[in-house]
Amino acid sequence: AQTVTQSQPEMSVQEAETVTLSCTYDTSESDYYLFWYKQPPSRQMILVIRQEAYKQQNATENRFSVNFQKAAKSFSLKISDSQLGDAAMYFCALIQGAQKLVFGQGTRLTINP
Amino acid sequence: KAGVTQTPRYLIKTRGQQVTLSCSPISGHRSVSWYQQTPGQGLQFLFEYFSETQRNKGNFPGRFSGRQFSNSRSEMNVSTLELGDSALYLCASSPGAGVRELFFGEGSRLTVL
Repeated sequence: AQTVTQSQPEMSVQEAETVTLSCTYDTSESDYYLFWYKQPPSRQMILVIRQEAYKQQNATENRFSVNFQKAAKSFSLKISDSQLGDAAMYFCALIQGAQKLVFGQGTRLTINP
Repeated sequence: KAGVTQTPRYLIKTRGQQVTLSCSPISGHRSVSWYQQTPGQGLQFLFEYFSETQRNKGNFPGRFSGRQFSNSRSEMNVSTLELGDSALYLCASSPGAGVRELFFGEGSRLTVL
């Protein structure tokens, strides 16, 4: 069975600084995708970044980047130059095979002005 | 391009009643999946439909059902509501056919009294 674990229920960071959110996962498959989703108080789940397991290069999207360690089954998200609008719940998720996402429990990120 | 649309956004029901939630996917997307989000259990997969066929089902009782229409719109139904069914129900759409990226709606907040 696939599992996704986020060990940090809450994180906080000063505006303009860098923060890293941790995620570990477990799967027996070699073909899978990993995602970070952001859920602000408006509730809509927004895709932040995705990583294909077969790609060795870490994905980046503007201020967001990941550190994908396939052997260690680790997938952390780094947010650089944190902004007030980054405050949200962040979910790490895994998908393989059919369109079924397995989510972690989430990390609530607070940005301090 | 319009996003994923879920209706209604909020609803209140009493125990024993039934409820139907609707989801209109992004135009051209053929896969629709449903997730239940609660503070205790987090995000859990309910089921996924592709071209009117249920391809995958999560571990929920038979009171939870769904369907997809020829225009890819989907409905989910919960019968004999229980207090524990109070949750945010999220719908996600995807092009399907191997594209593993899901786009979420804003959800339907169900409260069971």
